[in-house]
Amino acid sequence: NAGVMQNPRHLVRRRGQEARLRCSPMKGHSHVYWYRQLPEEGLKFMVYLQKENIIDESGMPKERFSAEFPKEGPSILRIQQVVRGDSAAYFCASSRGDRGTGGIGQPQHFGDGTRLSIL
Amino acid sequence: AQTVTQSQPEMSVQEAETVTLSCTYDTSESNYYLFWYKQPPSRQMILVIRQEAYKQQNATENRFSVNFQKAAKSFSLKISDSQLGDTAMYFCATLNYGGATNKLIFGTGTLLAVQP
Repeated sequence: NAGVMQNPRHLVRRRGQEARLRCSPMKGHSHVYWYRQLPEEGLKFMVYLQKENIIDESGMPKERFSAEFPKEGPSILRIQQVVRGDSAAYFCASSRGDRGTGGIGQPQHFGDGTRLSIL
Repeated sequence: AQTVTQSQPEMSVQEAETVTLSCTYDTSESNYYLFWYKQPPSRQMILVIRQEAYKQQNATENRFSVNFQKAAKSFSLKISDSQLGDTAMYFCATLNYGGATNKLIFGTGTLLAVQP
C-alpha cells in the first residue's frame, strides 16, 4: 500500500494519559498535514509540517498538543494529558513539494485516520 | 477569515439520476484552489475533483463535474448517473495559493444517500 499510513486505527486512552498518533506520508511526499474531525463535523486544520520544520500551526490548541516530522521516521501528533473533548478522528494528509509551487495547491492525500476515544 | 458553506446537510437521489451539491465560499485571495472530497461510511477521505480558480474551464472527472462561478464564489458538484457507491459525506474545501501555508478549509459537509 503506497498510500498515507496512519496508526493506530483506533486508540483508547484514559483521561490524563498521553496519546501518540503516527503518520507515514506517501512515497515522494515531503509535506504532512494533520486535521481533526469532531463527531458530526467537518475536518479542521491543525498543523502543516515539512521535514524537521513546522510551517503552520495556527490550528493547534495552545496547550497539550504538539507535532513533529523528523528527518527519519513518521510524523507524530502528540496529545498530553488527554481530556474527553479530545475524542475525535485525527486525519493525516500528505502532498508533494514541487519546486515551482513549494507544494502549494498540490492535492493532499489522506490516510484512513485514527479514532481516538477518551474514557 | 476564509469560510466554506455547504447549505444542504442531507440529500437523496435515485440510482442512475443526477444530483448537484452546493458550495459557496468566502475569500479575499485572488489565487486559490477548490476541492471536493468524499467520505464514505468507511470514513476514508477521498479526493473527488480539484479546480484551480484561475482556470475558467470547469473540471471534470468521469461522472463528476463542477460548476465554478468565481464571481458568485460558488463551486457546486454534479454527480451524473449516480451509483450506490456514491453514498457518502461530501466535503467542499478551499486552499489559498501564494502564502506559506497550505491548509485546506472545509465546509460542514453534505450527506448524500443514493437510493436503489
